[in-house]
Amino acid sequence: QVQLQESGPGLVKPSETLSLTCTVSGDSIRGYYWSWIRQPPGKGLEWIGYIYSSGITNYDPSLKGRVTISGDTSKNQFSLNLISVTAADTAVYFCTRNGPQPGDLYFDLWGRGTLVTVSS
Amino acid sequence: SSGLTQPPSVSVSPGQTARITCSGDTLAVQFSYWYQQKSGQAPVLIIYKDNERPSGIPERISGSNSGTNVTLTISGVQAEDEAVYYCQSPDNRGTGVIFGGGTKLTVL
Repeated sequence: QVQLQESGPGLVKPSETLSLTCTVSGDSIRGYYWSWIRQPPGKGLEWIGYIYSSGITNYDPSLKGRVTISGDTSKNQFSLNLISVTAADTAVYFCTRNGPQPGDLYFDLWGRGTLVTVSS
Repeated sequence: SSGLTQPPSVSVSPGQTARITCSGDTLAVQFSYWYQQKSGQAPVLIIYKDNERPSGIPERISGSNSGTNVTLTISGVQAEDEAVYYCQSPDNRGTGVIFGGGTKLTVL
């Protein structure tokens, strides 16, 4: 079955860049939309943005200017870069697959999540 | 308001019916979606497009929409249903995503 796995540093210093990669196994990333969602400790879910396999992206307005999502079809991966991080960016970061129809803005498959702590 | 509002908590006894509400203006023009998140785990999609169930989700879990309010109903609640439930919809323009704050379901 299709599986998503997040990877990347668990600790990032303030003002530096948070970088995570999601590796998709069991299916190609081509033809789907893929999102990043985060969850601060003890709080709710926050959508960060999505990428289509062609490279089209869309980001939450609150993070625009700091976030970039990119894809690598040769590695079947997509990645998240978040610049100028602060303690408020500490969260569990999930990579997800969007629903199967173009424009579907819901998430039918999730990775297990990875905790990223912003601290010096 | 552009947000989704859920009650922080709902409690029911085993075998009873739990109803979790979610309200927001976007729900009048966008589909609603529901996720179940058990402690320490990733969320799982349990309802999509207001009332559709993904494969593997039991029939005792259902969703309904009445304009700006949607309801997740869990019939015959079991101990395994104890979790936080999040509603979600696209934003008014259909270009972004909003989540409710989550409802903790406690099985007494």
